[in-house]
Amino acid sequence: GAGVSQSPSNKVTEKGKDVELRCDPISGHTALYWYRQRLGQGLEFLIYFQGNSAPDKSGLPSDRFSAERTGESVSTLTIQRTQQEDSAVYLCASSPRVRGLHEQYFGPGTRLTVT
Amino acid sequence: AQTVTQSQPEMSVQEAETVTLSCTYDTSESDYYLFWYKQPPSRQMILVIRQEAYKQQNATENRFSVNFQKAAKSFSLKISDSQLGDAAMYFCAYRGYGGSQGNLIFGKGTKLSVKP
Repeated sequence: GAGVSQSPSNKVTEKGKDVELRCDPISGHTALYWYRQRLGQGLEFLIYFQGNSAPDKSGLPSDRFSAERTGESVSTLTIQRTQQEDSAVYLCASSPRVRGLHEQYFGPGTRLTVT
Repeated sequence: AQTVTQSQPEMSVQEAETVTLSCTYDTSESDYYLFWYKQPPSRQMILVIRQEAYKQQNATENRFSVNFQKAAKSFSLKISDSQLGDAAMYFCAYRGYGGSQGNLIFGKGTKLSVKP
């Protein structure tokens, strides 16, 4: 079946512009996660959704970051007034449920470059 | 807060040989899950193997196996009969058992090179 998809694959933007990153999870997956991967680093957790609810937004780096999800479907991560330190690969993952040994299935990521 | 440490930024192995990647973690929880993910240049994160902390038996998946030492908080990955396709970044990850978020906590990764 179809895996997790993300768009765009690559995005180059000017400092100060807003960007929207999209994630389409595997159909039926309740849980959806956003991670950020800076160059040469591990993945940093940003936010998760259970259904369309995001119970804890404390992982978002600043108030310029926001995310939403429509039902148990697509999610968008929005970065306002982008800064050069926002340059990273943004990865999305989905899982059947939040708890348990369920595998998180990752998308290919969006590479964001802020110039 | 839980942390994951991978002390080997880079490793190299000869094709067909065996290599072990190290991972240690810090937690106060007694039940949790541990994972190894592989990330090739395509950026796609691929699950290699997973372990439930309450299980004594080390997990194995074909050529991949782990050495899970709960008391030492160590979770190393052994790759046997290394293949060129094993070359990638490998990330060790932790997830709490009872936590409500279910997010993974990652180490910084180990870059594995396989020499023909």
